[in-house]
Amino acid sequence: QSALTQPPSASGSPGQSVTISCTGTSSDVGAYNYVSWYQQHPGEAPKLMIYEVSKRPSGVPDRFSGSKSANTASLTVSGLQAEDEADYYCSSYAGSNSLGVFGGGTKLTVL
Amino acid sequence: EVQLVQSGAEVKKPGESLRISCKGSGYSFTNYWIAWVRQMPGKGLEWMGIIYPGDADTRYSPSFQGQVTMSADKSISTAYLQWSSLKASDTANYYCARPSVVRGGIIRSDVWGQGTLVTVSS
Repeated sequence: QSALTQPPSASGSPGQSVTISCTGTSSDVGAYNYVSWYQQHPGEAPKLMIYEVSKRPSGVPDRFSGSKSANTASLTVSGLQAEDEADYYCSSYAGSNSLGVFGGGTKLTVL
Repeated sequence: EVQLVQSGAEVKKPGESLRISCKGSGYSFTNYWIAWVRQMPGKGLEWMGIIYPGDADTRYSPSFQGQVTMSADKSISTAYLQWSSLKASDTANYYCARPSVVRGGIIRSDVWGQGTLVTVSS
């Protein structure tokens, strides 16, 4: 199972919006509504930010939103804040013969 | 509070064996899968495998099958990841997580351990 494709970096100024893409195939992202996004600050464990494409766990600010079109999922961070600077990873369910697949990660910089 | 607490950092030599642990609390340990995730230095996340402590059912990612062994002791709510002969390329941060699993595949992980850094060097 190949990794999902994410841009290595993204950036935006405080208050702006930024969107990170996650491209898979018709066997993973395109086939199921089981895309999740994780935020990882340096030296910390990943934190679930979005699951099932667009759902937010309790406690995650509504500035974070997710969507999907065909084989590409997206994470949008609105009203960027300094604490949003982190690495973001997408992950997708890929059927019963696979544990699932991660994207390579995107480093989000708040300028 | 639902928590996964992992064992501390390890420094080992090539060829040595190692077992790291992940203790669950605040929930019914036997009713949820535990996943192991590798993160090599400066790199991304990789699912290694999952284990269901209730019946020790395990699934490994092909890349890790035969390279590591997952186990669990439900009497002490602890999952383990072990190596019989470490290599320098095993140097990484290893996380345990509590995934939601559908038909053997992971759909999300909402609880993560703090990570265990394993360094293998001669």
